[in-house]
Amino acid sequence: QVQLQESGPGLVKPSETLSLTCTVSGGSISSYYWSWIRQPPGKGLEWIGYIYHSGTSSYNPSLKSRVTISVDTSKNQFSLKLSSVTAADTAVYYCARVGNWGLVDWGQGTLVTVSS
Amino acid sequence: QSALTQPPSVSGSPGQSVTISCTGTSSDVGSYNRVSWYQQPPGTAPKLMIYDVSNRPSGVPDRFSGSKSGDTASLTISGLQAEDEADYYCSSFTSSSTLVFGGGTRLTVL
Repeated sequence: QVQLQESGPGLVKPSETLSLTCTVSGGSISSYYWSWIRQPPGKGLEWIGYIYHSGTSSYNPSLKSRVTISVDTSKNQFSLKLSSVTAADTAVYYCARVGNWGLVDWGQGTLVTVSS
Repeated sequence: QSALTQPPSVSGSPGQSVTISCTGTSSDVGSYNRVSWYQQPPGTAPKLMIYDVSNRPSGVPDRFSGSKSGDTASLTISGLQAEDEADYYCSSFTSSSTLVFGGGTRLTVL
């Protein structure tokens, strides 16, 4: 079981870019697919996208135009960038390891609030 | 892509069994045995309970079981316990090589 930890600003201004990093420990980032998921306060889970260490990626069609997920194998990290954010992007953001197309290991989540 | 359809809430008494459904389409649940279920108690991160329709990760009690028929997957919890009270979500791999979640079901143990 690997451990994941999200990090990044907890407050982002409208129209700016949200940037988060997930640090993986206890395993190599080169061995699995990795994903980002978010959960607006009081609402359900929304899949954002996933990436493989080779750079192969897939995104939620509803967010695809604003999302970039990248991987840094030297740091055992992967990152999320979401551009042109609005209040609707306020959520707890989780990173997770993908296994058998399920989300096996999860980070604790980090709340990102979009507000001026 | 549209979210998978789950009932908003279910309930049961301790010791009883409850079943949560997850309905998709022929582009996701109906075409792939890549359905997973997650348990999320309030204020915590989700936990994988079932993968590949009916497989339990190590450490998950065998009271939790999964199945699928056509476009609908199901999670059954038998011998309900107070600690099972939580939100439950399903997810599926899709024909577009994406993942999609269900809207979530709140389980109340009476």
